[in-house]
Amino acid sequence: DQQVKQNSPSLSVQEGRISILNCDYTNSMFDYFLWYKKYPAEGPTFLISISSIKDKNEDGRFTVFLNKSAKHLSLHIVPSQPGDSAVYFCAASAEAGGTSYGKLTFGQGTILTVHP
Amino acid sequence: DTAVSQTPKYLVTQMGNDKSIKCEQNLGHDTMYWYKQDSKKFLKIMFSYNNKELIINETVPNRFSPKSPDKAHLNLHINSLELGDSAVYFCASSQSEGSYGYTFGSGTRLTVV
Repeated sequence: DQQVKQNSPSLSVQEGRISILNCDYTNSMFDYFLWYKKYPAEGPTFLISISSIKDKNEDGRFTVFLNKSAKHLSLHIVPSQPGDSAVYFCAASAEAGGTSYGKLTFGQGTILTVHP
Repeated sequence: DTAVSQTPKYLVTQMGNDKSIKCEQNLGHDTMYWYKQDSKKFLKIMFSYNNKELIINETVPNRFSPKSPDKAHLNLHINSLELGDSAVYFCASSQSEGSYGYTFGSGTRLTVV
């Protein structure tokens, strides 16, 4: 029972264009969401997060959008750069408590390739 | 000056053996975790420790035993290794339980043959 899913295994984008990575979740107790970026042979690194009280959070070229009614979030990267090529993981947790408190539930990742 | 370091990076071993993976963090974080990345690429939590105390123990076979001698270290010992244990194991730390900006180690690729 995968509570966080990233249904696109890969995405290919031209440099300078927008990259949109999607993530869906099923657990309505999730109220905090994060994106992690992972390069080969390295651990994931934290990129950006959003609380369920917001529907958008922006940090430089990265923006995360949250649609609670659809249980869907997306990460927009504008403009995309070749150095953004990596695996992107969506993750969720329950800050308010419950059985998901204190742990992150990850999706399976989307491989982003940005072509020069 | 690695923040979260885990050793070894690669581990190839035979079925039935016992092995350990070590993890150390120098960030002063209170909480440490073990995650397993399975063949379908999902990262799944196995254990978390807060100040040497076991907080989360997901449905993991009892062949897996975490040990935290102090809050900077969380080691993972695996007994009687099975083929299905082959995966990448990631150690991570965070400021406190409920703080989700994890810092991950670079992973240990375990291959059981």
